[in-house]
Amino acid sequence: EAGVVQSPRYKIIEKKQPVAFWCNPISGHNTLYWYRQNLGQGPELLIRYENEEAVDDSQLPKDRFSAERLKGVDSTLKIQPAELGDSAVYLCASSLDEHEAFFGQGTRLTVV
Amino acid sequence: AQSVTQLGSHVSVSEGALVLLRCNYSSSVPPYLFWYVQYPNQGLQLLLKYTTGATLVKGINGFEAEFKKSETSFHLTKPSAHMSDAAEYFCAVGGGGADGLTFGKGTHLIIQP
Repeated sequence: EAGVVQSPRYKIIEKKQPVAFWCNPISGHNTLYWYRQNLGQGPELLIRYENEEAVDDSQLPKDRFSAERLKGVDSTLKIQPAELGDSAVYLCASSLDEHEAFFGQGTRLTVV
Repeated sequence: AQSVTQLGSHVSVSEGALVLLRCNYSSSVPPYLFWYVQYPNQGLQLLLKYTTGATLVKGINGFEAEFKKSETSFHLTKPSAHMSDAAEYFCAVGGGGADGLTFGKGTHLIIQP
């Protein structure tokens, strides 16, 4: 069974440019999470989806970040415009229940 | 609110020695507790988890952890370290629902030959 797939793996952009990350969760997993992991830190939750509904986006910086999960499967996280401080690894995870979340390999974003 | 404290951002042990990574948590609800491992440029892989029941849980690669409610701890151990154990380890707490996890800052495990 395929795991959580994220693309791209690496992205370098100039500040003020837009960027988008894509996530394909494990088939059948209704819950999808986006986390941000700053260098030397643990992941921090940005947004959680139950099917296509964003049920917790309290930590998502809504002035520049947006996310969507069309048809309750794939999800896209967008930043526009990007700032230097957005450099981090963006992790997508999915789960079937509360007992375990499966993580993708992440997208490493560098804003220059 | 939930929080996780991992004592020691870096832990160094000799190959074959005991590994002990410390984790203390705070949770207003009965916690679900997790240990994840992260290798360079990789995502997080679940090592083990505590949800309910037996407080000593065994995971992959010879790791185990014990949930101690009175001490609000969930320390990770392995009797004999192997070079391949060198990685970043994260302790996380969940609230029993699919709310998402709160992670500690991580502990970098270094294995000395």
